Amino acid sequence: AQSVTQLGSHVSVSEGALVLLRCNYSSSVPPYLFWYVQYPNQGLQLLLKYTSAATLVKGINGFEAEFKKSETSFHLTKPSAHMSDAAEYFCAVSDRGKVGGANSKLTFGKGITLSVRP
Amino acid sequence: NAGVTQTPKFRVLKTGQSMTLLCAQDMNHEYMYWYRQDPGMGLRLIHYSVGEGTTAKGEVPDGYNVSRLKKQNFLLGLESAAPSQTSVYFCASSYHSDTQYFGPGTRLTVL
Repeated sequence: AQSVTQLGSHVSVSEGALVLLRCNYSSSVPPYLFWYVQYPNQGLQLLLKYTSAATLVKGINGFEAEFKKSETSFHLTKPSAHMSDAAEYFCAVSDRGKVGGANSKLTFGKGITLSVRP
Repeated sequence: NAGVTQTPKFRVLKTGQSMTLLCAQDMNHEYMYWYRQDPGMGLRLIHYSVGEGTTAKGEVPDGYNVSRLKKQNFLLGLESAAPSQTSVYFCASSYHSDTQYFGPGTRLTVL
């Protein structure tokens, strides 16, 4: 079974500071990994994804994440936080289920709320 | 492209009432999903479908039914609503196991 752990429920940073949101995963096979962002009262939007190409993945809005197999991690970073980054962030894992297979679905972490202080 | 749309956006039910949530996608995706989102719980999969006419149970299927009669639509039904089903419901679709695209959500309150 696959799982995702996002430690902590809330991270607060100052505008211009580094953003680091942690994600650790468990999967019995090489995973696909995703970060989604949810702004207030909206649906989830894909930030970036890892699908076994480059281990450093760049996404939208200046975010990036690095896949580290040895650490089973996929942490999300952004060098300089902006007020508009305030949102909830979800890490998710898919074990690349076969078409029609029982595992053709994502498992989400519980999410982390990012606050950005002026 | 409208992407993934959900109807209705808000709904208030009394305990025991029934309702159907409609999800529609115009991306010709095979896979569709229904999730519920509760504070501190992340998203939990209710049911999903890997093609027209097929459905499968997810993590929290009890109290819900689904149907996928047309490829572009995925319906979620509550036959007898309970207060524990107060939640925000999201529909998503994907091309096989790739990126899931989410709708804007339906906020349901059961009194």
